[in-house]
Amino acid sequence: AQSVTQLGSHVSVSEGALVLLRCNYSSSVPPYLFWYVQYPNQGLQLLLKYTSAATLVKGINGFEAEFKKSETSFHLTKPSAHMSDAAEYFCAVRTNTGNQFYFGTGTSLTVIP
Amino acid sequence: EAGVTQFPSHSVIEKGQTVTLRCDPISGHDNLYWYRRVMGKEIKFLLHFVKESKQDESGMPNNRFLAERTGGTYSTLKVQPAELEDSGVYFCASSPLGGGHNEQFFGPGTRLTVL
Repeated sequence: AQSVTQLGSHVSVSEGALVLLRCNYSSSVPPYLFWYVQYPNQGLQLLLKYTSAATLVKGINGFEAEFKKSETSFHLTKPSAHMSDAAEYFCAVRTNTGNQFYFGTGTSLTVIP
Repeated sequence: EAGVTQFPSHSVIEKGQTVTLRCDPISGHDNLYWYRRVMGKEIKFLLHFVKESKQDESGMPNNRFLAERTGGTYSTLKVQPAELEDSGVYFCASSPLGGGHNEQFFGPGTRLTVL
C-alpha cells in the first residue's frame, strides 16, 4: 500500500515569509502527485499536480512544488505567505495502477500578521 | 458549472441509529469516490464507482456501510447501525473517465458525529 507523510501537522509563518510544506511518499512506481487545499467550510481544492512532465510544477495562488524522485518528495512552497493562505493542505498520491488517492494527514497553515 | 455537492453538511446521531449521506457529482463524471477522515488522521479511501458499478470497495470498513449509485448519477452512503468510531468527515469526489493524471473534484464533506 502507498503511504504519504506530511511532516508537521501545524505550521506557522509570518505574512510575507516563505511557506514550505513537506510531503514524502512511498511508491515503487512513478506516481501522480497532488496538493489540495481546504479552506474552512469548503471542499478540497486542487492547488497543483505532478504528472511526469516538468518536475517543477506551478499551481494556483503562487504555489509551486518540486518532484524529487531520489528523495521521494513533493514539497510545496510559496515565496511570500499571504493571510489568505491560512488553510489546511493535503498531499496526495495516485499510482498508475489504481484509482484511489492516498492522502497525508494534512498540514494546517497559520499566517501571522 | 456546479461542483460536487453533499448533503447534509452535518449530522449528529446516536449510536445504533441509521444515517444516509448523499453525494451529487459533477454532471458527466462517471467516476465517483467516497473518502473518510477521522479526526486528526489522513483522508482514507472507502470506495469507487464507475457509473453505477462498484469498481473498488476495498476501503469499506465493514458491512454496516452500504453505498449505492443507482442510475450512475448521485450516490448514497448508508451507515446502519452507526457506531462511535464512525464519526468523521465523509468526502465525496468525482472525476471524468480517463488517465491517472486526472484530479478528483471534492465536495465539502459531511461531518458525522455519533454520540
